[in-house]
Amino acid sequence: GQQLNQSPQSMFIQEGEDVSMNCTSSSIFNTWLWYKQDPGEGPVLLIALYKAGELTSNGRLTAQFGITRKDSFLNISASIPSDVGIYFCAGPTGNQFYFGTGTSLTVIP
Amino acid sequence: DGGITQSPKYLFRKEGQNVTLSCEQNLNHDAMYWYRQDPGQGLRLIYYSQIVNDFQKGDIAEGYSVSREKKESFPLTVTSAQKNPTAFYLCASSIWLAGGLEQFFGPGTRLTVL
Repeated sequence: GQQLNQSPQSMFIQEGEDVSMNCTSSSIFNTWLWYKQDPGEGPVLLIALYKAGELTSNGRLTAQFGITRKDSFLNISASIPSDVGIYFCAGPTGNQFYFGTGTSLTVIP
Repeated sequence: DGGITQSPKYLFRKEGQNVTLSCEQNLNHDAMYWYRQDPGQGLRLIYYSQIVNDFQKGDIAEGYSVSREKKESFPLTVTSAQKNPTAFYLCASSIWLAGGLEQFFGPGTRLTVL
């Protein structure tokens, strides 16, 4: 199945720094979803985006739906140790979902 | 409390045995999914079901089987035909909201075949 390109693959940052990651696709999506997965746990939905250009926040997290509908961005401001985990994007086509390869975030206290 | 439950959290089986992973949801979602996650890899779709008594193969259905007799339940059987069954298995369900389609995941089952 189609896979979304996500970058960077991993990030090591100091506590308090801001983080940016993005997801790109060769196809257009009408919805972009961002998840966080802790080790050994199921992914948790962080933000859902529905319209091109939309900017949505959830606490320190902000995500944007790219104008071309082929990309999306996730920003985390003022990172804290509990932000550690794997973040990945997803987009549905019909009733199936396609997933990014994930960004592994490590926050150094 | 609404959500998706998967049991057990950890499962050990001997090679050659079939094993069934449970997935239950009380969210009243129509569609349910099974994914497999291997270290360092993205999610791969095994099977999905849009309505009761109907399901479709995903990208890696070989060696797996499912049933959807009830809306809230979508068990996955890992058969002895699956060549490399040790993995983390995630169940999910989805719903069309006003804006679009959203998907929610269960906590996962880690299967280890010895």
